Formats: sequence, structure tokens, C-alpha cells
Amino acid sequence: GAGVSQSPSNKVTEKGKDVELRCDPISGHTALYWYRQSLGQGLEFLIYFQGNSAPDKSGLPSDRFSAERTGGSVSTLTIQRTQQEDSAVYLCASSSNYQNIQYFGAGTRLSVL
Amino acid sequence: KQEVTQIPAALSVPEGENLVLNCSFTDSAIYNLQWFRQDPGKGLTSLLLIQSSQREQTSGRLNASLDKSSGRSTLYIAASQPGDSATYLCAGAPKTSGSRLTFGEGTQLTVNP
Repeated sequence: GAGVSQSPSNKVTEKGKDVELRCDPISGHTALYWYRQSLGQGLEFLIYFQGNSAPDKSGLPSDRFSAERTGGSVSTLTIQRTQQEDSAVYLCASSSNYQNIQYFGAGTRLSVL
Repeated sequence: KQEVTQIPAALSVPEGENLVLNCSFTDSAIYNLQWFRQDPGKGLTSLLLIQSSQREQTSGRLNASLDKSSGRSTLYIAASQPGDSATYLCAGAPKTSGSRLTFGEGTQLTVNP
């Protein structure tokens, strides 16, 4: 597709379960970002991948959060042992080497019961 | 640490009015500043990106300015329309951390017909 694609669009899970969120960036974009948007916290940076460089994980809130990017394209954000405070919209963005504009997906709304 | 503040948090105007949204940031060592629009339940759409060497950018009825010395950016919307109703977010990219973005809390704009 032409834009950033995220799946699923909505995810409801029980506290303590693991979840995986997927992001398909725009083809050819070397940079990929994960952000989290929650009530009262605004939009927070989580992790950033740029080409083959080591990712910037400085925004991950705890060691229950991890992300990988396979083949320089698709990325998966994994949250282990989910907690209620993990409930938020998780947004993925990508950008190219040639311009700094970040293009966002529609997000995955995660609800932890 | 970069902090981004947006004023006002919410704004309601009649159709046809010109309006200004404000964004301030604490660290003037900024690489670029972006303005985004977010519609309810949707991702972010990039509106304008201003590089640190630029003072303003224009796209249609939108004009964004950047004053690094005072740590401020404004988004001017001319002849507002009901379709402009959305949340507007500004975000700064620092010089030292790739282009991860630090977001403000947003201004929720309602344009009344």
C-alpha cells in the first residue's frame, strides 16, 4: 500500500497476556518509529530504527516492551505480561533518508482489561 | 530534555475566522519542527515541516513560522472551515537523537458552521 499500515487496529487483552503489534512502513523508508498515545501522557516516543544501525530504545518504559525490525521493513512491537497502564494507542511512523517528514499509520488501540 | 507546550488546549471559532495556534519549546537546539493534524480515531497527518534554518513554511491556507531564539512556532490557519476541525500537534526533532519527535499535548480545534 501507499501508506504506513498497522495491525490489528484494535486489540483487547487480559492483564498478564503478551501482545504483538505490527507495522508495515512505506516501501523504501529506512527509518521506523514507534510512539504511544495515552490519555494524560500525550504522544511519547518508544523506539527508533534507522537502517542497519542499533535501534534507539531509550523511550521504552520497561523491559516488558521490546521491538524488532526484520529485513529492514516490517516491525513488531511486543508487550509481555500486559498491565492496565499499557492501554493506549500505539502509533508507528516511517521516514526516508531524503526528507524528515514522518508518515504515521492509523495506530493500534490496545485495551488491557 | 526537550519540552513542547501548546496553547490553547482547545479552541472554538466560527467558520471563516483566521486563527493562530501556538507552540513553544524549551531547547532551541532543534533540528526541525513539524505540525500535524489528528482526526478522532485516526493517525497523524503531516501538515508542515520547518527546518531549523527556515523561518516559515506555507501550504494552502496554512502558514507555520519558527523562531528558534524565542523557542516558539505558530500555525496560522486562514479562512477556517468546518473540515479544519481536528487536533493539531506540534513536534520538535532534536539535533542529537536522530529525528525522534517530542510532541506537545495538542490544540483541539472546532470550527463551527
